[in-house]
Amino acid sequence: GAGVSQSPSNKVTEKGKDVELRCDPISGHTALYWYRQSLGQGLEFLIYFQGNSAPDKSGLPSDRFSAERTGGSVSTLTIQRTQQEDSAVYLCASSLAGAPKLFFGSGTQLSVL
Amino acid sequence: KNQVEQSPQSLIILEGKNCTLQCNYTVSPFSNLRWYKQDTGRGPVSLTIMTFSENTKSNGRYTATLDADTKQSSLHITASQLSDSASYICVVSAAWGNNRLAFGKGNQVVVIP
Repeated sequence: GAGVSQSPSNKVTEKGKDVELRCDPISGHTALYWYRQSLGQGLEFLIYFQGNSAPDKSGLPSDRFSAERTGGSVSTLTIQRTQQEDSAVYLCASSLAGAPKLFFGSGTQLSVL
Repeated sequence: KNQVEQSPQSLIILEGKNCTLQCNYTVSPFSNLRWYKQDTGRGPVSLTIMTFSENTKSNGRYTATLDADTKQSSLHITASQLSDSASYICVVSAAWGNNRLAFGKGNQVVVIP
């Protein structure tokens, strides 16, 4: 596709359930980022993938959060045993290796009831 | 304390008027500063990227300035249009990489007819 694609665009789940969020980066972009955006807050870094290198997971807030990137393309962010404080917009971005310009998807609005 | 502070938090301007948004940062070392526009329900879109040696950069009606000595940047919107209603996010990159970006909370701009 022409841009970064995220799905679903909206997800409502019950507390304690697991959720999976998907990101399709721009073709050819080797760098992929996940961010969390809470209401009234700046973007919070979660995890960064660059090619075949080990991902930078330093931003993941707890061990309930994990992400993988298969085949260097599609990435999935998984949140286990969701909590109400996990409610936020989860944004994915991609870029060419070393390039400063990030291209963002439209995000997944996660609501945990 | 947030490494990137933006002001004003929000403002309302009349269509056709100009406005200036401010960004102060403490990130060090410094690599580059970016301004993004985020429409409601969408991901951020890059407007400008400036490195240490650049004082000003324009993108259509958007003009960004950078004073790396005082660690200040501004984004000037000329002849505002209704479509300029959005959140404008200042992002500062430290020298060590794209996965260490500091995000401001954004300036929420509302343009009214």
